[in-house]
Amino acid sequence: DAMVIQNPRYQVTQFGKPVTLSCSQTLNHNVMYWYQQKSSQAPKLLFHYYDKDFNNEADTPDNFQSRRPNTSFCFLDIRSPGLGDAAMYLCATSSGTGEYEQYFGPGTRLTVT
Amino acid sequence: GESVGLHLPTLSVQEGDNSIINCAYSNSASDYFIWYKQESGKGPQFIIDIRSNMDKRQGQRVTVLLNKTVKHLSLQIAATQPGDSAVYFCAETHYTGNQFYFGTGTSLTVIP
Repeated sequence: DAMVIQNPRYQVTQFGKPVTLSCSQTLNHNVMYWYQQKSSQAPKLLFHYYDKDFNNEADTPDNFQSRRPNTSFCFLDIRSPGLGDAAMYLCATSSGTGEYEQYFGPGTRLTVT
Repeated sequence: GESVGLHLPTLSVQEGDNSIINCAYSNSASDYFIWYKQESGKGPQFIIDIRSNMDKRQGQRVTVLLNKTVKHLSLQIAATQPGDSAVYFCAETHYTGNQFYFGTGTSLTVIP
């Protein structure tokens, strides 16, 4: 029973070519997160949505944007990918109602050529 | 973001032994902590959590200890099995927000 789904699992893009990663959830959770995880490093929070309220981390580059058109879907847009943006991108959800457990998707591995 | 770090980046244990993974956090206002297990190519998987009003919580083969005085968190895995081989992360948050901040991670290898 997939609860947090990320598509595609692997994405290759060219330097400077915009790319969009998608995440969907069947949990009806209020909060959706995007993390960037580079090799052998911890997931780094980029931003999150609480319902439609967007919350950006202070150190997230402007090159990263997000959209949440409805409860189920959330997108990560990288406007001009650089080689340093190659990473695993993880989507997660949490209920936002006092239950703090996060549910992670399998991630999308982004390669920039 | 908050600063959450781990003392040991790698840990090797014999199958059947107990494992202890440590984590230090810097925000004394953090009130909720989670341990995650991440296997290669997968997203983090929830293992166990603990709130700041507790100092110990037990699950199946796992125990989390919280020492708020020194801002230290540990994960104990009893009778470690080969399937426990993974990277383990601690994460912290505060009830007033929804942000979760992850520590560096410890790679656990179980030797058969």
